[in-house]
Amino acid sequence: DAEITQSPRHKITETGRQVTLACHQTWNHNNMFWYRQDLGHGLRLIHYSYGVQDTNKGEVSDGYSVSRSNTEDLPLTLESAASSQTSVYFCANPGTYYGYTFGSGTRLTVV
Amino acid sequence: DQQVKQNSPSLSVQEGRISILNCDYTNSMFDYFLWYKKYPAEGPTFLISISSIKDKNEDGRFTVFLNKSAKHLSLHIVPSQPGDSAVYFCAAPFISGTYKYIFGTGTRLKVLA
Repeated sequence: DAEITQSPRHKITETGRQVTLACHQTWNHNNMFWYRQDLGHGLRLIHYSYGVQDTNKGEVSDGYSVSRSNTEDLPLTLESAASSQTSVYFCANPGTYYGYTFGSGTRLTVV
Repeated sequence: DQQVKQNSPSLSVQEGRISILNCDYTNSMFDYFLWYKKYPAEGPTFLISISSIKDKNEDGRFTVFLNKSAKHLSLHIVPSQPGDSAVYFCAAPFISGTYKYIFGTGTRLKVLA
């Protein structure tokens, strides 16, 4: 079955370090999205891509970057991790009728 | 500006009773709404949706009602079961065709056995 997987599931890192969260999909879908979930804020869009070599900023993109070198992967990089980036991160493929299919998430803690 | 709002962060309901989760929106251009359910340590999963041309959509125990004049939608779960305990998010397409969605802040539902 086609799926979307995220790794790692949990990550603890230190302030100032660069961190990359992986997202891999087997849907062969052009569109991939990254969200973060925080209490009191719901899910907020970080970056998204409509295809290879295409990347776009979402509403909370500061401090994050993405690259899209193939259809399957959209890694999310925190250039210099900050405590404010402690969150749960979700990668998603959009469908049509049912909105998104989400990955299982990565819980990131910045200490 | 929070265009999709869920004003109740939490809700507790007795098993077998009705759960009503509410969502308000500000943008009258929204033409489609979705509800997602999220269990701990899992990604959100699609639950039910409604188009703005309808005022009700039903799927088993779950019914979503849309009141366009009030810019309000609600999710009814009847009867509520302990397995329904989760966080529920409402969402709307930010701009139709872009696949970008705006999510509410979520309501944590606890169904008491």
